[in-house]
Amino acid sequence: EAQVTQNPRYLITVTGKKLTVTCSQNMNHEYMSWYRQDPGLGLRQIYYSMNVEVTDKGDVPEGYKVSRKEKRNFPLILESPSPNQTSLYFCASTFTGPPTDTQYFGPGTRLTVL
Amino acid sequence: QKEVEQNSGPLSVPEGAIASLNCTYSDRGSQSFFWYRQYSGKSPELIMSIYSNGDKEDGRFTAQLNKASQYVSLLIRDSQPSDSATYLCAVNDMRFGAGTRLTVKP
Repeated sequence: EAQVTQNPRYLITVTGKKLTVTCSQNMNHEYMSWYRQDPGLGLRQIYYSMNVEVTDKGDVPEGYKVSRKEKRNFPLILESPSPNQTSLYFCASTFTGPPTDTQYFGPGTRLTVL
Repeated sequence: QKEVEQNSGPLSVPEGAIASLNCTYSDRGSQSFFWYRQYSGKSPELIMSIYSNGDKEDGRFTAQLNKASQYVSLLIRDSQPSDSATYLCAVNDMRFGAGTRLTVKP
């Protein structure tokens, strides 16, 4: 089954404790993204990757890091989490069409930073 | 001004009615437009994409694009309770609006 997986699904942590959210896709897509979703603000792109070893900042990259060492995996790293990073995080993998580009989202990771 | 704006809603329509969802965007050079549906507690899923001015129909869904007015809309005909969700407009597939919550009442 074609899918994007994220782990963990839920995480409660404390300020300053480094954490990693994993993301993996089995569709051999080159383009992957991380988003955060906050009430009233919609989805905002944090980082994206166009291929292995190619990553770039999205609209809200501060406080986050990513890596893309292999095509299927795109982990999101919070080196020193702060309460304003409490959010719902989605990883996405994009099939570049034709007939259309299709972005597939993972199930989401709900992060709470105390 | 937000790059992608949607009516925050909530929008409530009776079963069988047409639901109309609207989206405006600020980047006149935008080329691709998407509508996603997100059920509560779930991840967004793509329902329609549109690249050219005019209408694009897929089953009960019709996307409409007017680049001159920087406006894209989604019409849902014969709305069903299962259509109750938040609908997200996306431009160039990475700039999203805040979403419009739709409730279809039986």
